Amino acid sequence: GQNIDQPTEMTATEGAIVQINCTYQTSGFNGLFWYQQHAGEAPTFLSYNVLDGLEEKGRFSSFLSRSKGYSYLLLKELQMKDSASYLCAVRDPPYNNNDMRFGAGTRLTVKP
Amino acid sequence: ETGVTQTPRHLVMGMTNKKSLKCEQHLGHNAMYWYKQSAKKPLELMFVYSLEERVENNSVPSRFSPECPNSSHLFLHLHTLQPEDSALYLCASSQDRVGNTEAFFGQGTRLTVV
Repeated sequence: GQNIDQPTEMTATEGAIVQINCTYQTSGFNGLFWYQQHAGEAPTFLSYNVLDGLEEKGRFSSFLSRSKGYSYLLLKELQMKDSASYLCAVRDPPYNNNDMRFGAGTRLTVKP
Repeated sequence: ETGVTQTPRHLVMGMTNKKSLKCEQHLGHNAMYWYKQSAKKPLELMFVYSLEERVENNSVPSRFSPECPNSSHLFLHLHTLQPEDSALYLCASSQDRVGNTEAFFGQGTRLTVV
C-alpha cells in the first residue's frame, strides 16, 4: 500500500536541535516536500528534496535517501515559534498524475 | 499571507443545508486543489483542477461538488453533509503539477456539520 509515516508528536527544548523523520512507501517518487503548519493557519512550504543528500536553509535542513525511502527535517537553535505541525509530502507520479501524498504530520512542542 | 484566500473561515451547517466554500488565488497558478484535513489524519486530496479542467477523484462522495469557473477561483459546493464531514477544508494552488512545484495553501474553512 501507499504509506507516509511520521511520529505523531515530539517535544524539544528551546535552543536545542530536533530531527523529525519521515518514511515513505509509494508507487513512484518525484520529490519530497516539508511543510510547516501553525495551529489555525495555512501550511507553508519549507523544503523540497529530489536527489539524495542534505539541503540546508538557515536553521532548517532536510535530508533524503531515496534507496531507503527516508527523509528527515532538522531544526537547529529551536525557538518557541517553531512549535507547529510539520507535514511530509511525496510527489507520486502514479497518484492522480503526480499529485502529492501527505503524512499525518508531526506536532512539535518547543518548551522553555 | 500565502496569496490564497478562502472564505468563510468558519462554517456551521445543518445536514439538510446547502453551502459553498470559496477559494481565490491571484498568483497566476494553473493548478488548484481541495484538501480535507481531519485531526491526526493525513491531508486528503479531494479534487484537482489543472488549467480549469477537473482531474477525476472517484473516492469523494457526491455530496461534495467542485466548480472552477476560471483559473483564479475554485468553489466547493456542499449539500446534505454528514457529521463525519466536519473538518478543516484547505484550498491550495501551484504553478503546475511537476516535480519541484510547491503548493500554496489558504488558511482553510473550519466546517462543523450539526
